[in-house]
Amino acid sequence: DQQVKQNSPSLSVQEGRISILNCDYTNSMFDYFLWYKKYPAEGPTFLISISSIKDKNEDGRFTVFLNKSAKHLSLHIVPSQPGDSAVYFCAASSNFNKFYFGSGTKLNVKP
Amino acid sequence: GAVVSQHPSWVICKSGTSVKIECRSLDFQATTMFWYRQFPKQSLMLMATSNEGSKATYEQGVEKDKFLINHASLTLSTLTVTSAHPEDSSFYICSATKTGYSNQPQHFGDGTRLSIL
Repeated sequence: DQQVKQNSPSLSVQEGRISILNCDYTNSMFDYFLWYKKYPAEGPTFLISISSIKDKNEDGRFTVFLNKSAKHLSLHIVPSQPGDSAVYFCAASSNFNKFYFGSGTKLNVKP
Repeated sequence: GAVVSQHPSWVICKSGTSVKIECRSLDFQATTMFWYRQFPKQSLMLMATSNEGSKATYEQGVEKDKFLINHASLTLSTLTVTSAHPEDSSFYICSATKTGYSNQPQHFGDGTRLSIL
């Protein structure tokens, strides 16, 4: 049973525009959410996180939004750069017990 | 800081062989390390949680005798795939959290591509 879902396997965006990656979860007990970025043949790299007490967290070009009632979070990248091209995973946990990962969205930022 | 090194990065071996994968936290101590498995175009599936000085906690459906985990020090956890078969071919990734820090993300190694012939 997939508790964290990323329904878009891929996304293509023009350089300079906004990239929006979406993630849905089913477990209302999740209270900490993260986004990881992964390049081929490398492990995931932590990007940004948000706890359930917030609905927005911003770090430079990256902003994560959390909608608890909809059990939905999204990652906004603006402006998008070609170096942002990678696979993005969202992850969620309850009480930092275990982390559940989505299946990833492959972002391609076109120059 | 927070570098996790995983070795080897790629291994090819014959069916029936046992393969050991190492996960090291290079610049921090990690009481807890995690082992994941990833199939192509799928999410990271947690296999087990490795705790220093105690037995690992395995997820449902993961065979303990097949995937042996040892976490003998605060900087090293090993995963041994025993008597590996082609269906064990996959991408294995470890992660670690810093000892004494709460509310923090896991730091991942670069993964090990295991191919069983």
